[in-house]
Amino acid sequence: EVQLVESGGQLVQPGGSLRLPCVASGFTFSDYWMSWVRQAPGRGLEWVAYINQDGSETSYMDSVKGRFTISRDNAEKSLYLQMNSLRDEDTAVYFCARGHWWLEKWGQGTQVIVSS
Amino acid sequence: DIVMTQSPDSLAVSLGERATINCKSSQSVLSISNNENFLNWYQQKPGQPPKLLIYWASTRYSGVPDRFSGSGSGTDFTLTISSLQAEDVAVYYCQQHYSTVRTFGGGTKVEI
Repeated sequence: EVQLVESGGQLVQPGGSLRLPCVASGFTFSDYWMSWVRQAPGRGLEWVAYINQDGSETSYMDSVKGRFTISRDNAEKSLYLQMNSLRDEDTAVYFCARGHWWLEKWGQGTQVIVSS
Repeated sequence: DIVMTQSPDSLAVSLGERATINCKSSQSVLSISNNENFLNWYQQKPGQPPKLLIYWASTRYSGVPDRFSGSGSGTDFTLTISSLQAEDVAVYYCQQHYSTVRTFGGGTKVEI
């Protein structure tokens, strides 16, 4: 069974940093592009970033470029989102998902709250 | 960035009736290289992550009931639920992957 499990979400002050891991199981992680999507409280889905199989190709939404970094460790079957210079508007549930054209499997998400 | 606009924001449909959700992109998402529309549909129920319903604008994902169908091309797309069931109450999102910056529509809430 395909599983994606995010963690690392917590309350952080504006300007702070956070790293979100997503651990994959049930499939050959290194064969797949991966993505991060977020959802602010009571709001719609917002695509954040994707990464290819070996980490050589990435893409980001405009508002996180230069602040967020997506990466992966295929040996550890893990996807990461390093978030720096966090803002109030980054408050959201962050989902990792398999794929980058269509997102066919999703984790349950981890809550990030940016507040002073 | 490609802006995805969904309509309506919400709709109420009786059980067994048809539900139609529209999605419009600010530019064409039809690929000349493979003649496919780079458009997906997702369903999200409360407290759950989204689930993929449709890709390539009209191809149902594995296990998705055939009452769900997608249509359209270029900039205008439709998700149709032919006979609404109680378990279809959810928010539905379209998403384009034509651009390297992916974008979702704002969502359409379907209620009974």
